[in-house]
Formats: sequence, structure tokens, C-alpha cells
Amino acid sequence: NAGVTQTPKFQVLKTGQSMTLQCAQDMNHNSMYWYRQDPGMGLRLIYYSASEGTTDKGEVPNGYNVSRLNKREFSLRLESAAPSQTSVYFCASSEIQGGEKLFFGSGTQLSVL
Amino acid sequence: QKEVEQNSGPLSVPEGAIASLNCTYSDRGSQSFFWYRQYSGKSPELIMSIYSNGDKEDGRFTAQLNKASQYVSLLIRDSQPSDSATYLCAVRPGGYNKLIFGAGTRLAVHP
Repeated sequence: NAGVTQTPKFQVLKTGQSMTLQCAQDMNHNSMYWYRQDPGMGLRLIYYSASEGTTDKGEVPNGYNVSRLNKREFSLRLESAAPSQTSVYFCASSEIQGGEKLFFGSGTQLSVL
Repeated sequence: QKEVEQNSGPLSVPEGAIASLNCTYSDRGSQSFFWYRQYSGKSPELIMSIYSNGDKEDGRFTAQLNKASQYVSLLIRDSQPSDSATYLCAVRPGGYNKLIFGAGTRLAVHP
């Protein structure tokens, strides 16, 4: 039982490159989330998916897209990376719609040069 | 703008003491409140949830909620060096289906 699995753990991009962060959960949770964490700013919600087939914007969606591929998988795509997107990214899932009692993946450290 | 405020710290306490971490929130209609612990370089993990005014105890941890004053606190009794981490307060505002996180308070427990 792995919980929430994120890949990759580390990534370095050049400005303008694209990439996809992958996330999968094996807890049969309905809701999944992508957060970014920057020093002194806490966790900020990028996008979330309350249930399979739905996605919604969070606090900081600009520059990102998401895909809820199935109930288990929720990916985050950066189409044209910018230095402002340098951050630690966390995927999370929750059994309860509303983001309560989140289970987090181990995070992705992304640097955009 | 829904906000959750925490003192960034570091809060330094000696081993065996009580650590008191505080959090205030702006939305009076908030109903659900959570404390997450995050060790350096790791992901957050849920340690407490509280929904009603008053105290909720779980082992060495006590969460306290005062909706009238719009604050929630976390007390850690008999603090241990292993409690050294950043503690994130999270709130679900009324009518929202997602959490708002504070920036976190860094706790350092020294022997």
C-alpha cells in the first residue's frame, strides 16, 4: 500500500521547456489536489479534482494544466516553464470532497533556470 | 480573500516543556480545522482535526478551537526533540470545498 506516489522527485528545466508531473494514489480516494510550496508562503492550491472527470482551478492556476486520467491518477503539466514556477510541488488525495484529511505524496523539487 | 495566519517562528522550547502554536483565520464561517506536521524535506502529515469549540486531545497533542475569536491552537505536552518540525494550520472556509493553509510555524525542541 504505497499511498500517494509522485514522480519525478527532482527536475531541472530551462525556461520555456514543458513537463508533466505524475501522481497516483491507491487508497480509492475521490478527490485529488496539486499544491505548490514556497518559502514563507505555505501550501497554495494549484488545481484540484473533486471526483473523477472533474477539475477546478485553485488559488494559483496560471501556467498549469491538469488531467484526471482516472480515479487513481492526476497529472500536472507545465506547458512553458518560467523561473517563477521554481517550487516544491505536492500531490495529495482525500476520501472526503472538500480537501479535508489530506494524504500527501513525497513531493517534487522543481527548478526552472 | 480567505486568510490563515501563523507566526513563522522559530518557536524554541526545552525538552519536556509545553509548546503552544497558534493560528488565526479570517473567515467566520469556517467549519473544519486541521494541524499538519512537516519535517524538513518531507511532506505534510495530518496530526489533528477539530470541528467544535473547545479542546480535543490525542496523546500529547491538544487542539483548541475558539470560533468566536477565530483562532485555533495546538499544544504539545512533554515536547521531544522529535517534535521539531514545521506545523501547518489549515482551515476549510464556509462554502469552500478546499483547504487554506497558513505558512507554518517552525518548532525547535532542544535537549
